[in-house]
Amino acid sequence: DSGVTQTPKHLITATGQRVTLRCSPRSGDLSVYWYQQSLDQGLQFLIQYYNGEERAKGNILERFSAQQFPDLHSELNLSSLELGDSALYFCASSVVEAWDRRKTYGYTFGSGTRLTVV
Amino acid sequence: AQTVTQSQPEMSVQEAETVTLSCTYDTSESNYYLFWYKQPPSRQMILVIRQEAYKQQNATENRFSVNFQKAAKSFSLKISDSQLGDTAMYFCAFTERNTGNQFYFGTGTSLTVIP
Repeated sequence: DSGVTQTPKHLITATGQRVTLRCSPRSGDLSVYWYQQSLDQGLQFLIQYYNGEERAKGNILERFSAQQFPDLHSELNLSSLELGDSALYFCASSVVEAWDRRKTYGYTFGSGTRLTVV
Repeated sequence: AQTVTQSQPEMSVQEAETVTLSCTYDTSESNYYLFWYKQPPSRQMILVIRQEAYKQQNATENRFSVNFQKAAKSFSLKISDSQLGDTAMYFCAFTERNTGNQFYFGTGTSLTVIP
């Protein structure tokens, strides 16, 4: 157990629907990151939150949104789902907000949510 | 743009042998970190090893070591005494000062350890 909890582990839904993925970071970590891993691809950065505020945005579609709550858990909302949104969605957490040469130890990842859009 | 390239989609190695996975990256920064992550069939992303660009000495973690060639922007992972549990996808990752704490990942190398 990495300490980062993602729910649900698997999700099957139809095109056009909306889903919410949930992530609880490791205790003490204030940053939460969302990544998308499509088939045969590496991880693509979607978005970062730090202590409730958005810090960085990557290749996140307008149909996707996220937020981080006061208890530091985060939710990734995916709407108007398309077949191409089928992927493994990872949440990761870290203690740092941004680049810190002394503290960039790497992320702690959750086990991911496998989203299948049919 | 920051890129990470893993040119070996698949590799295999006999149990107890040594294997090297390649990674190259592109950056104009001098301060950055490099990582190797392992993703076994369980899908969990596990940090294997990390290298700080300002350190000349290659990082080692038990059977895992890296060959960091800063001028060549190369960061290979050597696995010694390969074990069946090393079978996994291996991702090279990179983060630099200008990108906050965002990581860039390569497309991965699928490693199979053969008994």
